[in-house]
Amino acid sequence: AQRVTQPEKLLSVFKGAPVELKCNYSYSGSPELFWYVQYSRQRLQLLLRHISRESIKGFTADLNKGETSFHLKKPFAQEEDSAMYYCALTSRGNTGKLIFGQGTTLQVKP
Amino acid sequence: EPEVTQTPSHQVTQMGQEVILRCVPISNHLYFYWYRQILGQKVEFLVSFYNNEISEKSEIFDDQFSVERPDGSNFTLKIRSTKLEDSAMYFCASSESNLLAHFGNGTRLTVT
Repeated sequence: AQRVTQPEKLLSVFKGAPVELKCNYSYSGSPELFWYVQYSRQRLQLLLRHISRESIKGFTADLNKGETSFHLKKPFAQEEDSAMYYCALTSRGNTGKLIFGQGTTLQVKP
Repeated sequence: EPEVTQTPSHQVTQMGQEVILRCVPISNHLYFYWYRQILGQKVEFLVSFYNNEISEKSEIFDDQFSVERPDGSNFTLKIRSTKLEDSAMYFCASSESNLLAHFGNGTRLTVT
């Protein structure tokens, strides 16, 4: 079954601390993995996709096929990083349907 | 930067009534989607639409739901006879290819 699991509902850290938002997936083919972010009262925005291997706003995520994980990391959290983060997957060649995890709320305290 | 726009932002309706949620996708996009998020739950896929037809739908998307692209710019989701459990945030998304979805702000539907 296709599934994305984000085990933490809430992650609370102090400003300047490292952040790791966990994401594990279950998919039989070759998935494309994404991280979306939703700031308060705003739309879901694409943060990262695994295929581009880029760093956005200091965040990085590496696809680990052996552990079926795509954890989101940032070495030094900022208050403006406080938001809801969703891990999602889709598959090349399909309709583009995204399967989302439950989401993790990141709270960065001053 | 172009955006997906959704109207209304909040819709309140009585059980059994029909509702139409409206979306204007980004103009050069070819793939269109509806998702919903019940309060406290994950974002769930409802339907995808490409080349003027449904390309995939979930088990949530039953006979009560339909989608249309009536005029080449709007993309609508209709719920024929709303139930209490249809209360949710509904997100429209569009993409140029089938890989990078851009989301609207959502419509909060409240069924009373």
